[in-house]
Amino acid sequence: DAGITQSPRHKVTETGTPVTLRCHQTENHRYMYWYRQDPGHGLRLIHYSYGVKDTDKGEVSDGYSVSRSKTEDFLLTLESATSSQTSVYFCAISEQGYQETQYFGPGTRLLVL
Amino acid sequence: QKEVEQNSGPLSVPEGAIASLNCTYSDRGSQSFFWYRQYSGKSPELIMFIYSNGDKEDGRFTAQLNKASQYVSLLIRDSQPSDSATYLCAVNENTGRRALTFGSGTRLQVQP
Repeated sequence: DAGITQSPRHKVTETGTPVTLRCHQTENHRYMYWYRQDPGHGLRLIHYSYGVKDTDKGEVSDGYSVSRSKTEDFLLTLESATSSQTSVYFCAISEQGYQETQYFGPGTRLLVL
Repeated sequence: QKEVEQNSGPLSVPEGAIASLNCTYSDRGSQSFFWYRQYSGKSPELIMFIYSNGDKEDGRFTAQLNKASQYVSLLIRDSQPSDSATYLCAVNENTGRRALTFGSGTRLQVQP
């Protein structure tokens, strides 16, 4: 998984609870991304980061926030989890100057009850 | 809304045959095209990328790009049961944010 870890790998939570997912990389890549994957929808971009403290929204950012205080860590927070946020979440990284080739972490399965 | 379209399948081929996977995209300005393979319950893994019109070969895999017709395809020669997976097509967004737009994937089944 190109030196990318995600934690937790599985999580069950209740509606209304805040949840934070962590992505950690050892590749020192500048760009990091959070996607969600749902049946029939493929991978959809939630947020991405182009450097420490530099983040921007993707197509499905409502209800999510992110932070990147170090190059290696990119956190995704569900401010108040809803059942519609039950999904598989993937982190990806990309190296500057290498087009947009992205490498994915192992994923986090989140179930919101 | 930029779109990447793939037939969801399943595409079923016999072992040893050529599997042909197709993808069309809407953004004529896209420059970079990627194929990822995703096994059930696993994360996507990069198979190939292609930037120029024509064919690019890597082992049993050949990516084909036709920018005028806005399609990209992946051929898998001598298909093996281990190739059974979902194949995702991804296209760069041609914006400043270095993001990819993914198709929803084609499920390939290789029958022994």
